[in-house]
Amino acid sequence: KNEVEQSPQNLTAQEGEFITINCSYSVGISALHWLQQHPGGGIVSLFMLSSGKKKHGRLIATINIQEKHSSLHITASHPRDSAVYICAATPNRGSTLGRLYFGRGTQLTVWP
Amino acid sequence: DGGITQSPKYLFRKEGQNVTLSCEQNLNHDAMYWYRQDPGQGLRLIYYSQIVNDFQKGDIAEGYSVSREKKESFPLTVTSAQKNPTAFYLCASSIGLGHDLRANVLTFGAGSRLTVL
Repeated sequence: KNEVEQSPQNLTAQEGEFITINCSYSVGISALHWLQQHPGGGIVSLFMLSSGKKKHGRLIATINIQEKHSSLHITASHPRDSAVYICAATPNRGSTLGRLYFGRGTQLTVWP
Repeated sequence: DGGITQSPKYLFRKEGQNVTLSCEQNLNHDAMYWYRQDPGQGLRLIYYSQIVNDFQKGDIAEGYSVSREKKESFPLTVTSAQKNPTAFYLCASSIGLGHDLRANVLTFGAGSRLTVL
């Protein structure tokens, strides 16, 4: 069983729709990351959060520590948001610098 | 602009050949990492280095080797011992050291796609 599970695996939306991608984790963590991978392959870090909520433009990330769950929301989705979104967790055990647990990713396609 | 440069972007290899993937960063980061990405799977850690002249095996180190002779460079060699080397390889770096949460924010390169013919 993967320490980090994402859903859905694939998501298709019409431009303008509100999108939610979910992430659940089974280990104690010090931080939760949301990453974006575009078709070319490069990965960009969107958020790192350990509690509450963070917002950047049309993207919002939330985390519920008690429920071990995080969500990534995209408001007013646009075709340029089409990408793979990856959830990753930094475990809080020992010296685990950079040793994140990665979800399998959610492929988002937004149609005009 | 600071960042991570991976080369080559695409690489084809015959079975039995060793290949080396380059990773260079100008972010002054102490820690560097190599990940492998396969379709439908999460990123898996191959090797990581927290400081020059030191590196540790990750979860799937068999068939791979690395070196860290300079802070800026962390090349990965895919050896002929790697049974299924066709994959997308990502290099990353972070500030490193200490337990500051910033140390866990990774900056990724654009990746190298290796295909074994």
